Amino acid sequence: SQKIEQNSEALNIQEGKTATLTCNYTNYSPAYLQWYRQDPGRGPVFLLLIRENEKEKRKERLKVTFDTTLKQSLFHITASQPADSATYLCALEVVDKIIFGKGTRLHILP
Amino acid sequence: DAGVTQSPTHLIKTRGQQVTLRCSPISGHKSVSWYQQVLGQGPQFIFQYYEKEERGRGNFPDRFSARQFPNYSSELNVNALLLGDSALYLCASSRSPGQGANEQFFGPGTRLTVL
Repeated sequence: SQKIEQNSEALNIQEGKTATLTCNYTNYSPAYLQWYRQDPGRGPVFLLLIRENEKEKRKERLKVTFDTTLKQSLFHITASQPADSATYLCALEVVDKIIFGKGTRLHILP
Repeated sequence: DAGVTQSPTHLIKTRGQQVTLRCSPISGHKSVSWYQQVLGQGPQFIFQYYEKEERGRGNFPDRFSARQFPNYSSELNVNALLLGDSALYLCASSRSPGQGANEQFFGPGTRLTVL
C-alpha cells in the first residue's frame, strides 16, 4: 500500500537558521506533492504545490524540492523565525484521494 | 471573502448516537472534501464530493456518509458512534476535483468527542 513518512516527529532549530523537513513516500509515483502548515486547534493552511516535472519551487523564505527517483521531497524555511513554529504536513494524491503524512512539529528557538 | 466554515465547532455525543457535521465552501468552489484528524496524526481522507457526486472515498466504514447540496455545501453523517470516532473533522474546498493539482482551503474543523 502507499505510504508517506515524515521522518521527524519534532525538530528544534535556532532562530535565523534554515529548517529542513523531509517527506518520503513509497509504492507510488505522485504527479503532485503539497506542503501545508497547521497550528494547534486549526485547519491546515496550504503553502506550496510541486509537480513531478519540477525539481524545485520557491515562495518567499520557503523552498520545496521534489526528487522522484529518491521518492522524497524536502521543505526548507530559510532565516527561520519563532512565528514559523508549527506542524508541517506533506500530502500527495493517490488515485482519487489525498494522503497526508503525520507531520513534523517545528520549534524555532529564539 | 469568507473562508470555509464548519458547524458546530465542538460536539459531545455518547456511544451509539448519530451526528451530522456541516460545511460551507468558499464561494465559487465546487469541490468539498472531508477529513478525520486524530491527535498526533495527519488528516485522514474520508470523502470528496464534486458537483453533488461522490468523487472519492477513503477507508472508513459505512457508518460514515456524506452528501453535497446544490449550493455546494456539504454534510458528513456518522452513525452508531464509537469512542474511536473522537477526532477533529476537517472540511476542505477547492475549485475543481483534482485534489493533488489544486490548493485546498481548510475550515477550522469540528471537534467531536464521543463518551
